[in-house]
Amino acid sequence: GAVVSQHPSWVICKSGTSVKIECRSLDFQATTMFWYRQFPKQSLMLMATSNEGSKATYEQGVEKDKFLINHASLTLSTLTVTSAHPEDSSFYICSARVAGSDQPQHFGDGTRLSIL
Amino acid sequence: GEDVEQSLFLSVREGDSSVINCTYTDSSSTYLYWYKQEPGAGLQLLTYIFSNMDMKQDQRLTVLLNKKDKHLSLRIADTQTGDSAIYFCAESHGSNYQLIWGAGTKLIIKP
Repeated sequence: GAVVSQHPSWVICKSGTSVKIECRSLDFQATTMFWYRQFPKQSLMLMATSNEGSKATYEQGVEKDKFLINHASLTLSTLTVTSAHPEDSSFYICSARVAGSDQPQHFGDGTRLSIL
Repeated sequence: GEDVEQSLFLSVREGDSSVINCTYTDSSSTYLYWYKQEPGAGLQLLTYIFSNMDMKQDQRLTVLLNKKDKHLSLRIADTQTGDSAIYFCAESHGSNYQLIWGAGTKLIIKP
């Protein structure tokens, strides 16, 4: 149980295009989803926290107009990197959890984004 | 602010036990977690412990929590080559149960 599916796993695109990454909880309803960015050989950096039906809460320094997050249902959240540039190249990982203090975050497999 | 610290590397021989240590600062954390990340992959939840527990065991994994010293450890018995990965310690924080992450410990297995 507690499977999180993230697509695509790898994307290469030209500078200036927008890229959408999907995060789905397959066998549970995720009241909260999180989006992280991970640089090589580093830990995870939280970008935003998204509760279903609400606007995402972005961490300090993360541009909300650059990284659009939508959490329209209890099983799907999307991250759109708008007008992507080479500096946006990174490994993006989502996680999801159900409500309750004892519920852990379950992670997708990540998306490797390369902007040329 | 809240902080979680781990050593960056641990090298053990195959078949030995691995002990990965972690210290944290937020005494109000309710849960502490261990995640495993293999190269190019997402994070796999290994185990987690409630802050009022001292120990939790699950097959080859043993978690020890010293709340007084804010010290958490993960012991992997009979370490195998498949255990090679980066292990992240994390503590829960805030109303959304966000995680405060350590830098990750890379476990290296020597034959």
